[in-house]
Amino acid sequence: GQNIDQPTEMTATEGAIVQINCTYQTSGFNGLFWYQQHAGEAPTFLSYNVLDGLEEKGRFSSFLSRSKGYSYLLLKELQMKDSASYLCAVLDSNYQLIWGAGTKLIIKP
Amino acid sequence: SAVISQKPSRDICQRGTSLTIQCQVDSQVTMMFWYRQQPGQSLTLIATANQGSEATYESGFVIDKFPISRPNLTFSTLTVSNMSPEDSSIYLCSAPQGDRSYNEQFFGPGTRLTVL
Repeated sequence: GQNIDQPTEMTATEGAIVQINCTYQTSGFNGLFWYQQHAGEAPTFLSYNVLDGLEEKGRFSSFLSRSKGYSYLLLKELQMKDSASYLCAVLDSNYQLIWGAGTKLIIKP
Repeated sequence: SAVISQKPSRDICQRGTSLTIQCQVDSQVTMMFWYRQQPGQSLTLIATANQGSEATYESGFVIDKFPISRPNLTFSTLTVSNMSPEDSSIYLCSAPQGDRSYNEQFFGPGTRLTVL
């Protein structure tokens, strides 16, 4: 079967750094997405990785290791507005998006 | 980037009735997707709505329960038929940027459905 694993919930402090991990087991791989979803709102795109390595975009970075079936989203200089759920999604061999359940990130002052 | 709107934003319905959710995109898109998201759970794809052809349903979802229309390249509807409390969920439509399903997707704000 296809499976995406993320921690259910994480807590971090404003101004700090947090790393949200995602491991996947899918039938094939054509890329991995990270989306941010604030409570009661639609998901919004953060990043897309298809090659191994780190992609940096401002305070957010995303890392991929295809051999390990592993990705992480790194958030630096955390702000209160970063409190949200972070969804990991993998494109399988049929270009079907398989979604993780999301990680709820709580930022404390 | 596409801007997607949905109507209604929320509704409370009685068991056995049907609700049609509308999704409007501000630009022409080849594919539109309908998702369901239970609280605290992942997005589950219901179907892909393609203009000019029948929708493609995922395993566990059937046309009789979730009929979909796609009359043009900017609009789609999803009907939740003969509703039961198990259908209570958030329903989201999305469209990819460009013509490929695996591009970045833009989501509508969602329709929060409660079935009593």
